Amino acid sequence: GESVGLHLPTLSVQEGDNSIINCAYSNSASDYFIWYKQESGKGPQFIIDIRSNMDKRQGQRVTVLLNKTVKHLSLQIAATQPGDSAVYFCAEIPFQGAQKLVFGQGTRLTINP
Amino acid sequence: DAGVTQSPTHLIKTRGQHVTLRCSPISGHKSVSWYQQVLGQGPQFIFQYYEKEERGRGNFPDRFSARQFPNYSSELNVNALLLGDSALYLCASSLTASPAYEQYFGPGTRLTVT
Repeated sequence: GESVGLHLPTLSVQEGDNSIINCAYSNSASDYFIWYKQESGKGPQFIIDIRSNMDKRQGQRVTVLLNKTVKHLSLQIAATQPGDSAVYFCAEIPFQGAQKLVFGQGTRLTINP
Repeated sequence: DAGVTQSPTHLIKTRGQHVTLRCSPISGHKSVSWYQQVLGQGPQFIFQYYEKEERGRGNFPDRFSARQFPNYSSELNVNALLLGDSALYLCASSLTASPAYEQYFGPGTRLTVT
């Protein structure tokens, strides 16, 4: 079925450390995955995406890893900064050409000074 | 360039009332999608419109309806409001008819039903 879930609802890290946010999905036909960042009072903001034919993709300070064998993806944020504090969502496109995104519940990332 | 805009930003309604939420997409974007985000959860897909036609619909009751205008702006209407309709309503726009790949979200309208 279509469902995307997250392992942890909250994550607290020290400023400067690396953060890893995990996400599990159940639909083996999912074609595309996206990580969004949502700050308080704002809509979700695109961070990075990955297609199902890839297992790793890197952006600026962020890396997404996709493990299709166990239906798991993760978002790694390097050298976490105070501005990274937000709720992070993974989302999937359940099949190629789908009109909708299926979002997970979200993980709140808190940065400790 | 202006991003996706939504109005109003906040709204308080009473059970049984009707509400209309508005969205203006990014200039040049022809697709608009609506999502409902209940507090503490991820957004859930409600509708997608492209070129004024409904292209997708989520698992929401018929109390929810939407339309898209010739200028590609959109309205979401909810009738007979329930307490459970309290949520952040997000609008997202994209260039193409398969919008999920390139969606840009607005700041949302916070609806409170009392």
